[in-house]
Amino acid sequence: TQLLEQSPQFLSIQEGENLTVYCNSSSVFSSLQWYRQEPGEGPVLLVTVVTGGEVKKLKRLTFQFGDARKDSSLHITAAQPGDTGLYLCAGAPGNTGKLIFGQGTTLQVKP
Amino acid sequence: KAGVTQTPRYLIKTRGQQVTLSCSPISGHRSVSWYQQTPGQGLQFLFEYFSETQRNKGNFPGRFSGRQFSNSRSEMNVSTLELGDSALYLCASSWARAGGIYEQYFGPGTRLTVT
Repeated sequence: TQLLEQSPQFLSIQEGENLTVYCNSSSVFSSLQWYRQEPGEGPVLLVTVVTGGEVKKLKRLTFQFGDARKDSSLHITAAQPGDTGLYLCAGAPGNTGKLIFGQGTTLQVKP
Repeated sequence: KAGVTQTPRYLIKTRGQQVTLSCSPISGHRSVSWYQQTPGQGLQFLFEYFSETQRNKGNFPGRFSGRQFSNSRSEMNVSTLELGDSALYLCASSWARAGGIYEQYFGPGTRLTVT
């Protein structure tokens, strides 16, 4: 069974601080996707990483895929209250529409 | 393009009943996946349909079933409802971009409460 361990589960920080969320597995994934979910809504795709060692930036968010394609991280610089939400990593075991999700990281950014 | 739509948004059922949830994917997307989200277990994969065929299946009992129609719309059915089936059911549609990667776009979900 493929699992994705996401940490930390909860994070409460002040506006302007930096943070990193980790997503680890013992399995190789063909791609890894990061989502953000607001209460009462479905997850919204932020980024997809495909190549080992790949780094993608989305404004203040930096996503990295591990060299072995087993782990990933999300780094937020100078967090803002608008970044508050549930962040989810999801790995694709193959090239299909099946995703294995991590448990999620609930981020609260206080003004 | 319109996003993924799911109906109904909210549903209250009694134990033992059955329920059918509907999902309309983004136009052109042939893959539709279903997930169950609960506070304790997070997001768990139920099944994926591609071109009217079930392509992947998660570890859920046979009470959970689905189908896909020729227009890619999909339904999932849960029979003999149990209290533990209370959850947010999410549908996601996707298509194969370059490299065969399926990026999934989620609907708002159907909140099912079983009493």
